[in-house]
Amino acid sequence: SQTIHQWPATLVQPVGSPLSLECTVEGTSNPNLYWYRQAAGRGLQLLFYSVGIGQISSEVPQNLSASRPQDRQFILSSKKLLLSDSGFYLCAWSIGTGEETQYFGPGTRLLVL
Amino acid sequence: AQKVTQAQTEISVVEKEDVTLDCVYETRDTTYYLFWYKQPPSGELVFLIRRNSFDEQNEISGRYSWNFQKSTSSFNFTITASQVVDSAVYFCALSEAPGANSKLTFGKGITLSVRP
Repeated sequence: SQTIHQWPATLVQPVGSPLSLECTVEGTSNPNLYWYRQAAGRGLQLLFYSVGIGQISSEVPQNLSASRPQDRQFILSSKKLLLSDSGFYLCAWSIGTGEETQYFGPGTRLLVL
Repeated sequence: AQKVTQAQTEISVVEKEDVTLDCVYETRDTTYYLFWYKQPPSGELVFLIRRNSFDEQNEISGRYSWNFQKSTSSFNFTITASQVVDSAVYFCALSEAPGANSKLTFGKGITLSVRP
């Protein structure tokens, strides 16, 4: 069966510091991968998605970036965090052949101070 | 552009009551998919159901049931005999582009509190 992992689970970072969040999927090949952000008390916003290694599409302009160095690894990064980057970050995957259901990881809670 | 509206923001019920969570969607496509996810306090989104636009048959899974009506662009979710463990945020979502680039549009979520 497929599983999705995210780490760290929680993170407290000062403004201006770098960020690296990691997501890995097991049990499937060539998945579509997604990064979402959920601000406190709000819905989910799609940040990035990837249909293959090195292929990243950005949904919203921001100071975040994403990379997919391996088939089942998706990384969310920032060179300098802003206060507004605080939130709950969720990674998701779907089968990349027409299956639209997305399955989510446990998430990372990020607090920027 | 696609849009999902969950007009109810918070619902509070007493255990064993039935509760219906509303979802209204907008899309120009004839082929699309609708979803419900549950987000318990732990934060992880749990997939509950997927429905495609060609299948309006209602579905029942234990205490959960879903009513899909294309005529009113609604995909409502009913929990029968609610339990405390049903307390969570529930999201309705729409995928308009089946295939490799499918993206989900989420509603803002409904916070359900079930009191003992």
